[in-house]
Amino acid sequence: AQSVAQPEDQVNVAEGNPLTVKCTYSVSGNPYLFWYVQYPNRGLQFLLKYITGDNLVKGSYGFEAEFNKSQTSFHLKKPSALVSDSALYFCAALSSNTGKLIFGQGTTLQVKP
Amino acid sequence: DSGVTQTPKHLITATGQRVTLRCSPRSGDLSVYWYQQSLDQGLQFLIQYYNGEERAKGNILERFSAQQFPDLHSELNLSSLELGDSALYFCASSVEGRTDTQYFGPGTRLTVL
Repeated sequence: AQSVAQPEDQVNVAEGNPLTVKCTYSVSGNPYLFWYVQYPNRGLQFLLKYITGDNLVKGSYGFEAEFNKSQTSFHLKKPSALVSDSALYFCAALSSNTGKLIFGQGTTLQVKP
Repeated sequence: DSGVTQTPKHLITATGQRVTLRCSPRSGDLSVYWYQQSLDQGLQFLIQYYNGEERAKGNILERFSAQQFPDLHSELNLSSLELGDSALYFCASSVEGRTDTQYFGPGTRLTVL
């Protein structure tokens, strides 16, 4: 079965410190990988995606993600966290075979001043 | 603002009733997707339409149905509502489908009493 796992329900980081939100996937074919962010009572906002090419993908608001094929991972990173980055983050994988987007269960990022 | 609009924002109804959720995709997008977000199930793909035709089906109950109209807006119909149908329902749209980035609307929060 195809799946996306976000092993941490919550990640806590101090403002100014680097952050990492982890994601691993199990998807048939060459996966397309996405990160979305959800603020309270809001829809999902697209952050970045990986299709092919450079393993380091840069996205919105200073976020980037590193694709690692051997570890089937796509971790979200930011060099210096802001309090305003506090939100719910979703990793998603799209199988080119099925065309369906599969989401992880989400990770709450809490950035403390 | 993603450009995807959903109405209504909130909906409160009783068990056994039927409701219709509406979605207008971003200008130029041909594909519309529906998702359900609940605390226990997370984000689940329900169904996709492309240019008026059903393209992919996910975990959509038989009591639920959707359609996409010639002007490309879509409606999700939920009938014989149960308490467990209470959730956030998101619509997303993309240019074409398959591997395009999906942009999400703000969601409709459905409460079944």
